[in-house]
Amino acid sequence: AQTVTQSQPEMSVQEAETVTLSCTYDTSESNYYLFWYKQPPSRQMILVIRQEAYKQQNATENRFSVNFQKAAKSFSLKISDSQLGDTAMYFCAFMKHETQGAQKLVFGQGTRLTINP
Amino acid sequence: DTAVSQTPKYLVTQMGNDKSIKCEQNLGHDTMYWYKQDSKKFLKIMFSYNNKELIINETVPNRFSPKSPDKAHLNLHINSLELGDSAVYFCASSLRDTTEAFFGQGTRLTVV
Repeated sequence: AQTVTQSQPEMSVQEAETVTLSCTYDTSESNYYLFWYKQPPSRQMILVIRQEAYKQQNATENRFSVNFQKAAKSFSLKISDSQLGDTAMYFCAFMKHETQGAQKLVFGQGTRLTINP
Repeated sequence: DTAVSQTPKYLVTQMGNDKSIKCEQNLGHDTMYWYKQDSKKFLKIMFSYNNKELIINETVPNRFSPKSPDKAHLNLHINSLELGDSAVYFCASSLRDTTEAFFGQGTRLTVV
C-alpha cells in the first residue's frame, strides 16, 4: 500500500517570502503521479500542481514549483513570492496508474500554511 | 455553472438517524468518488464509481451505501448515524484514464 507523509503540520512565513513544503511517499510502483492540493478556509480542494513520475523535469505553475526526487521518493512544493491568498492547508497526494478507470488519490496529513502580512 | 455540486453543504443530525448526501457533476465525467475528511483533516477515499459500476470500495462500514443512478450523479446514504461519522464528505469526479479529479465543496456532517 502507498503512504504519503508530510512532516510539517504547520508553517508560517511573511508575505513575499519563499516557502517549501515537504512530502515523502512510499510505493513499489514505477508508474504514478504526484499532486499538491490546496484547501483554503472555503474548504474547496484545488489542484495546485501535478507531476508524472516518468518525467524527469520538475513541474512548474507560475509561482508554484516542485522538486521531485524519484529515487528518494520526495516531492516538495516551493511557493515563491508568497501571497496572503496562499494561506491554506496543503495536501500532497499520490496516485498510481490504474488501467480500469478509477484513480485513487492517497493523501498526506496536510500542512497548514499561514502567510503573514 | 458549478462543476461538482454537493447538497447539502451542512448537515446536523442525531445519532441513529439515516441521511443522504447528493452529488452531481456537469463536466461529462464518467468516474465519481466519495472521500471523507476527518476532524484532523485527513482525507481518505471511500468509494469510486465508473459508469455507474462500483470500482473502489475501501474498508467502509456497511451503513454507508453509495448509489449512482447515472454517471452524472453519485449519492451517499448513511444509515444509523454514529458520532464518529462526523466529518466532511467530498464528492469528486474525473474522466477515465485521466489524472485530474475535480472536487465538490464538501458536506460537513455533524452527528450529535
